[in-house]
Amino acid sequence: SQTIHQWPATLVQPVGSPLSLECTVEGTSNPNLYWYRQAAGRGLQLLFYSVGIGQISSEVPQNLSASRPQDRQFILSSKKLLLSDSGFYLCAWTRDSNTEAFFGQGTRLTVV
Amino acid sequence: ILNVEQSPQSLHVQEGDSTNFTCSFPSSNFYALHWYRWETAKSPEALFVMTLNGDEKKKGRISATLNTKEGYSYLYIKGSQPEDSATYLCALRFGSTNAGKSTFGDGTTLTVKP
Repeated sequence: SQTIHQWPATLVQPVGSPLSLECTVEGTSNPNLYWYRQAAGRGLQLLFYSVGIGQISSEVPQNLSASRPQDRQFILSSKKLLLSDSGFYLCAWTRDSNTEAFFGQGTRLTVV
Repeated sequence: ILNVEQSPQSLHVQEGDSTNFTCSFPSSNFYALHWYRWETAKSPEALFVMTLNGDEKKKGRISATLNTKEGYSYLYIKGSQPEDSATYLCALRFGSTNAGKSTFGDGTTLTVKP
């Protein structure tokens, strides 16, 4: 069966510090991978998606970047965090364009 | 900009009540609609995937309908139980060539009181 791992679960970082959130998927190959962010009281906003190794598409301009160094690994990064980067980040994967998404447990990021 | 609107934003019902809420979306270029349930401290989990106008899906006490021509989907819960308390998210896919990207609504948060 397929599983998705996302870590860390919670993170408190000072403004200006770097960020690295990691997500890995097991039990499948060549998944579509996604990073979402949930702002307080809102739904999920798509930040990045990837259809293959090294292929990253950004949905919204921001202070963050994403990379996919391996087929089942998706990393969300920042060189210098802003207060506005605080939020709840979810990684997800889909088997193809037609199927539902499977989500990781999420990371609560607080920038102080 | 493709907006997905969910209403109401929140809902409080008594155990045993039946309830429903709405997901509205622009009908043009519709491809698929997903309903997810997101319980506190857990990951969102898929409930239904709906693609055809007139689709009706059911899972236990929960069912959903889809009208792509008028741009809405209803989610029904019959005989609500406390364990149904969660945020219900609607997500739309517009177009078949967009790598499965979804546009999410803000969700309806359901609280079922025992």
